[in-house]
Parts: sequence; structure tokens; C-alpha cells
Amino acid sequence: DAKTTQPTSMDCAEGRAANLPCNHSTISGNEYVYWYRQIHSQGPQYIIHGLKNNETNEMASLIITEDRKSSTLILPHATLRDTAVYYCIVRAPSGAGSYQLTFGKGTKLSVIP
Amino acid sequence: GAGVSQTPSNKVTEKGKYVELRCDPISGHTALYWYRQSLGQGPEFLIYFQGTGAADDSGLPNDRFFAVRPEGSVSTLKIQRTERGDSAVYLCASSPYAGANDNEQFFGPGTRLTVL
Repeated sequence: DAKTTQPTSMDCAEGRAANLPCNHSTISGNEYVYWYRQIHSQGPQYIIHGLKNNETNEMASLIITEDRKSSTLILPHATLRDTAVYYCIVRAPSGAGSYQLTFGKGTKLSVIP
Repeated sequence: GAGVSQTPSNKVTEKGKYVELRCDPISGHTALYWYRQSLGQGPEFLIYFQGTGAADDSGLPNDRFFAVRPEGSVSTLKIQRTERGDSAVYLCASSPYAGANDNEQFFGPGTRLTVL
């Protein structure tokens, strides 16, 4: 799986949009971008994933650049409960036999009141 | 519905002892994963089951670590002759099946293992 690079930490004011960047310059054409987050003392939680197109769900939006070398996770209105470590993960498709998730160190997002 | 559960939530043991960590996946999920998370690091893959069989155990650090899933549901991670370096949070995850690109993994709360 391709390697990802994320900032170590970020702050965001409560109620504002949180934009978390991720670089994955070595991503292959068939690899997906996944985002998980981990709130303190809990297991990771799936947020969203995408291949080429931008994606949106009830939790967040995922913007993938046209060359797919980077992406941004957007939390539109951050709340204190969004304080967590956010992991950007590049994952090969299931046919490649790579079912596990390869986590880096992630970005520690602190939402400030 | 019930999520992934793991027991115990905390386990303290002495160096050299044997421990078992249990994972109850979401009912009906055929794929089950074990990860290990050291302080300040992201989770690291250990082993993956599809049904009863270990489809990929490439992440197990050495032969002191072993995992089973005899009936394709509950799984047990077994660690023999524990070492202080085994101290970590052991996470279990399950998914409906492994062969889909939109297959999210659902994680349990983890078992915090401390080896004294």
C-alpha cells in the first residue's frame, strides 16, 4: 500500500470547518483513500473513503485531487466531540489480497471551544 | 445492534506468563482482524481471518503469538511467554466480508495489556 503523509497536529475552532490534508504521492490507480478517526481510549472509527471522485456522507466530505496524489478530509462544523486522531490510509483493492489497514501516526485534531 | 466487543478491557500480567484476549465480532461478519497499538503509534496489523481460517498472519511478530477462530465467530489471540515489549492495546475489528472495496472495518474498544 502507498505511504501517506499527514501533519502531526492541527487545531480548529468549534463550529468552523476542519480541513485535514493528506499526501499520498505514490498512490496507484486502483488504490482507495480511506479515513478513520480514533477518539481517546476508543477503537478507530470509519469516516469515509473514495477512489477518484469526491465523496460526502453524514460525517464528512472527502476531496481527492485530480492527480490523486493528495486528499483533504473536511468536517464542515467541528464540535468538541470531533477531537481525535485522524488517519488517512491508502488501501489496495480487495482483489490484490490486501485486506488489512496500514495506519500511520495520523493527525491529532484538537477542536477548541 | 451490538458492536465488536473485547474482553478483558484491561489485563495485567507478569513477564513470562500466558495470556488470552477475546474478541466477539459483529454477528454475521465473516472477516475478523487483530491489530496492536503501542503508545503514540497507529494500529499495526497482526492477523486476518476469513471465516475460520487465518488468511493472512504476516503481521504476527513471532511464534509466541497465535490466534484462533474455531467456529468462524469469536476469536482468541494467545500470547505465550509474554515480554514487557508486548504491552500495548490489542484491537479487534470485523467486517461483513473481506472481498469488497467498500468494506469498512468495525473496531472494538481494545484490550490494554500490561506486562510487568
